[in-house]
Amino acid sequence: ETVLTQSPGTLSLSPGERATLSCRASESFSSSYLAWYQQKPGQAPRLLIYAASSRATGIPDRFSGSGSGTDFTLTISRLETEDFAVYYCQRNGVIKAFGQGTKVEIK
Amino acid sequence: EVQLVESGGGLVQPGGSLRLSCTASGFDFKNYWMTWVRQAPGKGLEWVANIKGDESAESYVDSVKGRFTISRDNAKNSLYLQMNTLRVEDTAIYYCARDNSQFDYWGQGTLVTVSS
Repeated sequence: ETVLTQSPGTLSLSPGERATLSCRASESFSSSYLAWYQQKPGQAPRLLIYAASSRATGIPDRFSGSGSGTDFTLTISRLETEDFAVYYCQRNGVIKAFGQGTKVEIK
Repeated sequence: EVQLVESGGGLVQPGGSLRLSCTASGFDFKNYWMTWVRQAPGKGLEWVANIKGDESAESYVDSVKGRFTISRDNAKNSLYLQMNTLRVEDTAIYYCARDNSQFDYWGQGTLVTVSS
């Protein structure tokens, strides 16, 4: 069973700054199986990135994903106020798993 | 426009049963895998189960195997989760999502509370 570990647990940044979120897997898998989601309080999660680096429909280009093997990264180039939220990575496959989440909070 | 609407949540005692429903619209339901994901209060996301469009395959997280059953009715564009022998730790918001390998559309969720 693949375990996804996200770091840091909380990221305190100011609007306009760059956010770099990490997702590390316990075993290597195809980057086509890695997705990122954003969740705001009281809302359902929203798909941001799939196949490690492809933006979902309607997602701004300040969001980008990269990585392969066991190490994946979500980057938000310049934080907007609406980007402060919790972010989850997720592995697809027969059995699907989420990381524990990274909270991006206003500093 | 793709829409997913869950229903059926509520308060149930430990050991009890509940059936969740998810009604889909805006896409060809029978051609897609569908998934249930849950989120305990203040916690992260946990994938629960999924089912293939033609009902020929389904998978479950270990913690619900033998207790939960996922099913669908393609004629009604509906997804279901039958939850039996519920435990306090099953308390969560349950989301249905379209499973296009990644979960590209989500419902707003239905709250299940297991408590005596």
